Amino acid sequence: DGGITQSPKYLFRKEGQNVTLSCEQNLNHDAMYWYRQDPGQGLRLIYYSQIVNDFQKGDIAEGYSVSREKKESFPLTVTSAQKNPTAFYLCASSLMGGADQPQHFGDGTRLSIL
Amino acid sequence: DQQVKQNSPSLSVQEGRISILNCDYTNSMFDYFLWYKKYPAEGPTFLISISSIKDKNEDGRFTVFLNKSAKHLSLHIVPSQPGDSAVYFCPNLNFGNEKLTFGTGTRLTIIP
Repeated sequence: DGGITQSPKYLFRKEGQNVTLSCEQNLNHDAMYWYRQDPGQGLRLIYYSQIVNDFQKGDIAEGYSVSREKKESFPLTVTSAQKNPTAFYLCASSLMGGADQPQHFGDGTRLSIL
Repeated sequence: DQQVKQNSPSLSVQEGRISILNCDYTNSMFDYFLWYKKYPAEGPTFLISISSIKDKNEDGRFTVFLNKSAKHLSLHIVPSQPGDSAVYFCPNLNFGNEKLTFGTGTRLTIIP
């Protein structure tokens, strides 16, 4: 079955450490996205990529980095510069870039600081 | 940009009855809307869309209506089932930078 896989489901990080969240899709989608959700808030866009080797900052990119070396993979690194990294992180993809394209989401990774 | 507002943070409906979720929008140039549904600790799921060439789009128990003169869209779920309890989003579509902006949505609770 095609879909988006995020791993791990739960992740713990010590303060000052970088951590990388994995997102893989086998839907042959061009565009991929990373969102963050905090309690009582909507999803906020961190980064997105419409094609391989290209990505753009979303609304809250500070303290995060991404790469898009392969079409099917869009890993997100939460750096030590991100002061409040505890959140639920969601990865999504769409067939093409564009705000009107339905996005398919993974099941998320919950990141917690030890 | 298209600004879409969901004015009701929550809604409770008896099982078997109709659930109606509403959104109002500002920009008539971008009459295209998507609805998503989200369970706790999961990613949102695309539910249904509608474009300005239609007033209505139906998919099983889900129907979305678009009232262009009132700049209003609504999602009807008939009959409502316990599994429909979730948060529903009609996100903003920002065509300038090609992204969606999700608000806090409307939390639908179906009462058995």
